[in-house]
Amino acid sequence: GQSLEQPSEVTAVEGAIVQINCTYQTSGFYGLSWYQQHDGGAPTFLSYNALDGLEETGRFSSFLSRSDSYGYLLLQELQMKDSASYFCAVSSVGGATNKLIFGTGTLLAVQP
Amino acid sequence: GAGVSQSPSNKVTEKGKDVELRCDPISGHTALYWYRQSLGQGLEFLIYFQGNSAPDKSGLPSDRFSAERTGGSVSTLTIQRTQQEDSAVYLCASSSTGSGTIYFGEGSWLTVV
Repeated sequence: GQSLEQPSEVTAVEGAIVQINCTYQTSGFYGLSWYQQHDGGAPTFLSYNALDGLEETGRFSSFLSRSDSYGYLLLQELQMKDSASYFCAVSSVGGATNKLIFGTGTLLAVQP
Repeated sequence: GAGVSQSPSNKVTEKGKDVELRCDPISGHTALYWYRQSLGQGLEFLIYFQGNSAPDKSGLPSDRFSAERTGGSVSTLTIQRTQQEDSAVYLCASSSTGSGTIYFGEGSWLTVV
């Protein structure tokens, strides 16, 4: 089977840096994705890691360690609009777009 | 179309009735997914279609749930004899193989009363 674990809630202040961790257990792992979902909205893609290391996209970075079955999403220069739920997702067939299994999500609250 | 389109956006149905939820993926996308999300919860995988391959139905919670994809495009998720625990948002997503991005629709909010 497949399972992903991430913290249920994280709180941080505007301008700070926050890290959201994700550990996973899966067979046939191909990559780790991150998605953002604002309350009442649809999830939107943030980043994808297939190889170990850090991927940077603007204020957001994502890290993967395949040997540790672990990844994280790093959000820098937090803004109020970053308050949302963040989901890690494992790709279990091939490529970032095949059979994504999602974690339970981390609710990020950014405070002024 | 420009994005993934789902209908209806909201559906209230009586327990025991059948419902059909429709998804129109982004034109040219070969992969299509259905997920279910209960209030404040994560995304539960239901079913995955990829091109002409047999769909991965491993996430369907019971035999009351079925889905088809006609002509490699539009998909319909059918829930028979709905139960109150079926109340959730049903999200459809599509992707172009190898693009690295999966695009979600706005979801169909189902309430079973």
